[in-house]
Amino acid sequence: QSVLTQPPSISAAPGQRITISCSGSTSNIGNNYVAWYQQLPGTAPKLLIYDNDKRPSGIPDRFSGSKSGTTVTLGVTGLQTGDEASYYCATWDSGLSAVVFGGGTRLTVL
Amino acid sequence: EVQLVESGGGLIQPGRSLRLSCAASGFTFNDHAMHWVRQVPGKGLEWVSGISWNSASLNYAGSVKGRFTISRDNAKNALYLHMSSLRPEDTALYFCARSGLDYTGYLPDHWGQGTQVTVSS
Repeated sequence: QSVLTQPPSISAAPGQRITISCSGSTSNIGNNYVAWYQQLPGTAPKLLIYDNDKRPSGIPDRFSGSKSGTTVTLGVTGLQTGDEASYYCATWDSGLSAVVFGGGTRLTVL
Repeated sequence: EVQLVESGGGLIQPGRSLRLSCAASGFTFNDHAMHWVRQVPGKGLEWVSGISWNSASLNYAGSVKGRFTISRDNAKNALYLHMSSLRPEDTALYFCARSGLDYTGYLPDHWGQGTQVTVSS
């Protein structure tokens, strides 16, 4: 059971917009920065969003992050077939003194 | 370009020890904390351990505390994970990952391709 809770799967059509939620507690999301990672099949994770809402260079602005209390949300607009991947949220948990990941959300672009 | 290359994985019997290595290049190694993260094929990511830039701060997941030891050699730009008393449930792909800053509480921003560890008799 992951400390951070994400929906296991989501599907949408090309061109649509989706959001993926990640909920935690005050010991993790509520008081620490959150990152989002994209993992394409058979590859290593790639940083999509850091510090809750910032994009590394090279990440298109179709990807966005937001935070409210103990929940963060990843938004993806203009879905493309190449966005089919698993998405993970992560943050530091001050109570555990550990990095914690969400269980991952598998995105299918129909 | 940041490069992280893991090595040392393989097939190992339960109860034995194994040391993983990660060779880093393309950045100033001692400006960054480092992490190990593992993933069972088809499953999610599990953080294993983190080490600050100067090795002063070491953190471990509860599932490996007391069995795994993380270390680094800044002169060699290398990260290590010594794994002992290995169990079948430690079987996974182990990723080396760079922290965005110099302390372990900051999250990874670059990842290696991973090295597979299989614990089986």
